[in-house]
Amino acid sequence: TQLLEQSPQFLSIQEGENLTVYCNSSSVFSSLQWYRQEPGEGPVLLVTVVTGGEVKKLKRLTFQFGDARKDSSLHITAAQPGDTGLYLCAGSLSNYGQNFVFGPGTRLSVLP
Amino acid sequence: KAGVTQTPRYLIKTRGQQVTLSCSPISGHRSVSWYQQTPGQGLQFLFEYFSETQRNKGNFPGRFSGRQFSNSRSEMNVSTLELGDSALYLCASSLEGIGEAFFGQGTRLTVV
Repeated sequence: TQLLEQSPQFLSIQEGENLTVYCNSSSVFSSLQWYRQEPGEGPVLLVTVVTGGEVKKLKRLTFQFGDARKDSSLHITAAQPGDTGLYLCAGSLSNYGQNFVFGPGTRLSVLP
Repeated sequence: KAGVTQTPRYLIKTRGQQVTLSCSPISGHRSVSWYQQTPGQGLQFLFEYFSETQRNKGNFPGRFSGRQFSNSRSEMNVSTLELGDSALYLCASSLEGIGEAFFGQGTRLTVV
């Protein structure tokens, strides 16, 4: 049983479209991170959210942390081919030490 | 500032052998964590080292072990390799082990 669920699992869209990816759990996280990973490479950190209800914007990417700190969403506006990749959410269950639980990921393909 | 460096990038080993992977964290980071990534199980936490001590441990058999040196560099060892150990092994470093983690490019291990 996955502690963190992500949906959708796969997403293929045209350049210029908007999309939202979801990360859900029944557990409460002290913080939650979003990563993007390209084939054969390590995940690259996009954002960390800590406070329930927090919203962070990075250019065309908007991240939201649920009020109860159990879920999060990533919204991409006007997707570009360079956004293609595996998007992973990772939750930290502890304030002591690095022990992240990762979701299975959403594989996004943005077609030109 | 140099990122997280993992060596080697690729390894091919035979069943029953043992292997050692290396990770150099970002300068000043004291926490190093190891993850295994496979298509079926996704990213799974192996263990975390902080100041040369194992601070957190995932749910992997004792064949998987690690250590951290005084300069924060870390090694991971897998003994008696099995075919199922074939995976991308990722190392992540963070300042104190809380919050943001930065990943290396990984070591792709193939067991034949």
